[in-house]
This record gives sequence, C-alpha cells and structure tokens, in this order.
Amino acid sequence: DTAVSQTPKYLVTQMGNDKSIKCEQNLGHDTMYWYKQDSKKFLKIMFSYNNKELIINETVPNRFSPKSPDKAHLNLHINSLELGDSAVYFCASSQALAGGYHEQYFGPGTRLTVT
Amino acid sequence: ENQVEHSPHFLGPQQGDVASMSCTYSVSRFNNLQWYRQNTGMGPKHLLSMYSAGYEKQKGRLNATLLKNGSSLYITAVQPEDSATYFCAVDGDYGGSQGNLIFGKGTKLSVKP
Repeated sequence: DTAVSQTPKYLVTQMGNDKSIKCEQNLGHDTMYWYKQDSKKFLKIMFSYNNKELIINETVPNRFSPKSPDKAHLNLHINSLELGDSAVYFCASSQALAGGYHEQYFGPGTRLTVT
Repeated sequence: ENQVEHSPHFLGPQQGDVASMSCTYSVSRFNNLQWYRQNTGMGPKHLLSMYSAGYEKQKGRLNATLLKNGSSLYITAVQPEDSATYFCAVDGDYGGSQGNLIFGKGTKLSVKP
C-alpha cells in the first residue's frame, strides 16, 4: 500500500492556466506538507498544515494555496501558472513523536512543466 | 536566515570504500537534525534523526554524528545501490512550528562498481 500518493505524476500546462495537484496519505498522520524541488535539487518547504494551523513560507506567492478537505488529504492549487513554477512538487506527512521528531514520509512527486 | 550547507556536493567512491559527507546549519532555533536519501525520480526517504550535539547513531552501514552546528554521515562498504542524493534537514522551528524542515542542496553519491 502506498503511504503518501500524489496525482498526477506529470503535469504539462501553459502559462496562465490554473491547476491542482492532489495528495493523500493513509498513515493516519496529523500534519501534511508541500515542498518544491527546483532543477538544482534544492528542496524548499512551501506549506505545513494540520487541522489546527497553516504555516506558510513567506516566499511562496499567493497564487499557491493548499486546501485540505480532511485530515488525509492536502491538495495544492496553483493559479495563473508562470514559467518559474516548473519544478517537482512533493507532498509529505508526519506525526509528532516523543521528543517532537517529525520524521517525514514523502510522496513520489509531481513534475510540473509550464510552457 | 535559516540555511543548511552540504559538503561535498558530489562524491564518487569505489565500491567497498567509505563515503563521508557532512552538512552545517544556521537556524534560529534547533530541534533536531534528520538525514534523508533521495533516489532519482522518487521522493526523499528518512534515514535517521538526531537531537543533541554529540549524539551518534548507527543504522546498518550508516553512521551519523551530530556536531554543534552540523552533522557527519558515513556509509561504510558502499555499494552501487547506495548511489543517491543525501540530504541533511534541520527542524528549526521554521514558522514557529516544529516539523518544518530546512533542507540543504544535498550530496550526490555515485558509487563506481
């Protein structure tokens, strides 16, 4: 069984379009995340979300918005796509452990290409 | 600014050698440090976590040490299947919340058979 799944795996779209990436975790975790990995493999957190609060990386444009219909899902909506949004987007989840370790489980990634 | 730096950026040992890599970090508050491994085309996978300076952890052929402002990771008797990018990630209370990891750019390990 896949622990963290994302759809689609590949997404090719034109500038200006609006798109969504879906993420689901079946681990029963209470916190989910979205990361962006650029062409140089730099992995940067965009959002973290549990049912209590949303933490936003202040460098993320407000064209990006996470939406969580329930505890097991955190979708990423992107409006007015730009060329610079091309990257691999990873969803992850974690559960607070004793000592607050937050080991994270990552999905397989969605490669977004904006043309 | 919170940041994590890796050294070296690329490592190309022979099969059977010891691979040695490290990271240094600068964060406003430190909770723990985690190492992840990422194979091409896949998401990162957690390897181990450490929480205080001087802490050492061994997991199979992996051996990691947490230093005051960094960490070292050693992989003994490397095999071609160890080839991947290794990331150090620091939980530094980013955004005022635990669990928001700051990643470095990683060390790419390529083992020669």
